[in-house]
Amino acid sequence: DIQMTQSPSSLSASVGDRITITCRASQSISIYLNWYQQKPGKAPKLLIYGASSLQSGVPSRFSGSGSGTDFTLTIGSLQPEDFATYFCQQSDSAPLTFGGGTKVEIK
Amino acid sequence: QLQLQESGPGLVKPSETLSLACTVSGGSISSPNYYWGWIRQPPGKGLEWIGSIYYSGSTHYNPSLKSRVTISIDTSKNQFSLRLSSVTAADTAIYYCARLPRVSEWYFDLWGRGTLVTVSS
Repeated sequence: DIQMTQSPSSLSASVGDRITITCRASQSISIYLNWYQQKPGKAPKLLIYGASSLQSGVPSRFSGSGSGTDFTLTIGSLQPEDFATYFCQQSDSAPLTFGGGTKVEIK
Repeated sequence: QLQLQESGPGLVKPSETLSLACTVSGGSISSPNYYWGWIRQPPGKGLEWIGSIYYSGSTHYNPSLKSRVTISIDTSKNQFSLRLSSVTAADTAIYYCARLPRVSEWYFDLWGRGTLVTVSS
């Protein structure tokens, strides 16, 4: 199985900050990397697919980059509704696997 | 707008079989453009893909669960189902059903609200 490692596991930030979350794959996954946002008590929501494609309806302050083994999710200017947990997911090969999550908290 | 809704018992005894259904409304489960999948999340923990199914009945399972999992589809009911046998406390989780567009990126673009299943005697 491909292991997905996210860092940091949590971070504190303020409204308006630019933040970056990293996801590393245990082997090359080309661009087959997706990002989700999950708020407490809710299902995950797709933000980015194919490493950098923005899902319809997702604000443009969210962006993704990377290929191979190293990927990043960037929030350009953190908004109050962005405080949540973020997960990456690889779709290069079965079984589909997720990172452990990054919790973004209010500073 | 297409929606997914999980249903089934919230409490299952150890060694028994967990059975859940996912009803799709606002669209057809028989669309050739999508797969349908199950994902679970132990409370406070990360996400685990269980398996996926196509309207034709073709399935893909996570090898870690494959010996205990069956995913089936009923196009007449617009519904797909999960059965997980010989459950233990480690199977306690929120179970989500989700849609996967039939594209190379294999992402989950629409999710149900999830249902908590507790394994306990």
